[in-house]
Amino acid sequence: DADVTQTPRNRITKTGKRIMLECSQTKGHDRMYWYRQDPGLGLRLIYYSFDVKDINKGEISDGYSVSRQAQAKFSLSLESAIPNQTALYFCATSDLPSTGTSTDTQYFGPGTRLTVL
Amino acid sequence: QKEVEQDPGPLSVPEGAIVSLNCTYSNSAFQYFMWYRQYSRKGPELLMYTYSSGNKEDGRFTAQVDKSSKYISLFIRDSQPSDSATYLCAMSKGNNRLAFGKGNQVVVIP
Repeated sequence: DADVTQTPRNRITKTGKRIMLECSQTKGHDRMYWYRQDPGLGLRLIYYSFDVKDINKGEISDGYSVSRQAQAKFSLSLESAIPNQTALYFCATSDLPSTGTSTDTQYFGPGTRLTVL
Repeated sequence: QKEVEQDPGPLSVPEGAIVSLNCTYSNSAFQYFMWYRQYSRKGPELLMYTYSSGNKEDGRFTAQVDKSSKYISLFIRDSQPSDSATYLCAMSKGNNRLAFGKGNQVVVIP
């Protein structure tokens, strides 16, 4: 079974609709992230959470919100979807850095392809 | 200037050739350097990781970091069609916040 799962894998929706993308992980990591990937722009961080009570905005958080329901679950919501939010969305996890051994490695889910018409 | 620059131009090479990819960066505080590989319709997966300057080799893959020049490289020897993917460089200061390059699409032609 995959360590990081995302649902749905594909979604087509209309402008103005509310959309929720879900992420679950079995890696036992405290830190979770949401990115979007666009052609020519690479991966951009939307939100991140270092534990259940810690939520932080990334570089492109406008139009998005998140919820960390448990250590293993991190959801991304688009309250009112617009066409320029059409993109590939990735959830990622990472472990707490430990003194002298942190690798800062992030582990990605398979992605959700979202199309807003 | 973006923190990480990676020329996103696609790269096509014949099977068996050496693939050379690179990224430059502007933040001298970066200490951790990674290369991720992303197959079509999949999430990125960690390919190579290097701490600070130096070389690291793993099979056909070699990662190099030159902190004095703020330049990192990935070399793939004896490239195979299965190496066809997008390669993204990433780096961080050790705070779990990664800065990514835009990615290079590599196509290895049989």
